[in-house]
Amino acid sequence: EAQVTQNPRYLITVTGKKLTVTCSQNMNHEYMSWYRQDPGLGLRQIYYSMNVEVTDKGDVPEGYKVSRKEKRNFPLILESPSPNQTSLYFCASKHRGQSYNEQFFGPGTRLTVL
Amino acid sequence: RKEVEQDPGPFNVPEGATVAFNCTYSNSASQSFFWYRQDCRKEPKLLMSVYSSGNEDGRFTAQLNRASQYISLLIRDSKLSDSATYLCVVNPTSGTYKYIFGTGTRLKVLA
Repeated sequence: EAQVTQNPRYLITVTGKKLTVTCSQNMNHEYMSWYRQDPGLGLRQIYYSMNVEVTDKGDVPEGYKVSRKEKRNFPLILESPSPNQTSLYFCASKHRGQSYNEQFFGPGTRLTVL
Repeated sequence: RKEVEQDPGPFNVPEGATVAFNCTYSNSASQSFFWYRQDCRKEPKLLMSVYSSGNEDGRFTAQLNRASQYISLLIRDSKLSDSATYLCVVNPTSGTYKYIFGTGTRLKVLA
């Protein structure tokens, strides 16, 4: 089944404790992206990647890191999480070719930073 | 002004009604436009891409008005299952893969 998976789905952590949220897709998509969704603010793009070893900042990259060492994986790293990073996070992927290509989203990761 | 703006709603409509949503965007150079559907705190799913000439998919019609910088979504013969939040998405810059999401319009279809 074609899909985007994220782990963990739910995470409660404390300020300053490094964490990684994994994202994996099995559709051979070149493009992958991370978003966060907050009430009243909608989805905001954190980072995106056009291909292996190529990453770019979205609108809200501060406090996050990403890496793209393999085509299928695009982990999101919070080196020192803070309470303002409490949010619902979505990973997405798409074929790079056409701008109208559909983005496929993972099921989301609900992160709480205490 | 926000880059992409939507009326948050909720729009409460009876089954069978026709309902329309608009979404305005600020960047006149924007290239690609989409409507996504999101059920309560689940992942967004593509409903329709919006093409310059307008497009229709069953009960759903999407239109683009570049002069006034808005896109619209029309839902005819509303079903209970159409209850969701509808997200307007814009790719503001050709050749990039940055996407700007509106905050969404919530629709409730009532029996």
